[in-house]
Amino acid sequence: EPEVTQTPSHQVTQMGQEVILRCVPISNHLYFYWYRQILGQKVEFLVSFYNNEISEKSEIFDDQFSVERPDGSNFTLKIRSTKLEDSAMYFCASSGLGHQPQHFGDGTRLSIL
Amino acid sequence: TQLLEQSPQFLSIQEGENLTVYCNSSSVFSSLQWYRQEPGEGPVLLVTVVTGGEVKKLKRLTFQFGDARKDSSLHITAAQPGDTGLYLCADYGGATNKLIFGTGTLLAVQP
Repeated sequence: EPEVTQTPSHQVTQMGQEVILRCVPISNHLYFYWYRQILGQKVEFLVSFYNNEISEKSEIFDDQFSVERPDGSNFTLKIRSTKLEDSAMYFCASSGLGHQPQHFGDGTRLSIL
Repeated sequence: TQLLEQSPQFLSIQEGENLTVYCNSSSVFSSLQWYRQEPGEGPVLLVTVVTGGEVKKLKRLTFQFGDARKDSSLHITAAQPGDTGLYLCADYGGATNKLIFGTGTLLAVQP
């Protein structure tokens, strides 16, 4: 069964550094998402992406965050200048049109020191 | 903003026991979904329920949707260690595709 893959599985970065989290969505999916889960808290929506542009973003997704689909297969989340509170699990998901089920990757654990 | 509260937060039971976990919404569900998340993995969709009063079964798991579409329960019969994980309910954020997740129930089934 096709799956969403995310790399790296764990990223450790100094505060203030830029990080790029990578995702390869399921190939025939059209919607792409990033969610995050701070340790002990619930999964929170960050951003959705469709037709090469952001379709919706949450309050968390401020100017420090950006997303890109650089080559038609990868979907990336960039955090420009990381803060301690960015430490979390970041999940990528993809889906078809409408309210088709979202398929999640296994996440990237981001640790900011 | 819709809030999804799940109870209990934590549940530790012995293999073979039955259990029920709950999800309550501050507003009517658009399309209620139940996910299971195992340690080190992403959430995996178990079921979607849309119609008030609907009951769906997935092997030993029974999902019930309240008539008013504001609450749901997940009942597991004869729990097994493989059922261990974080159970999440979720709903679409209105007309958008973003998912709003509940607070989760962490289930541990002891052999």
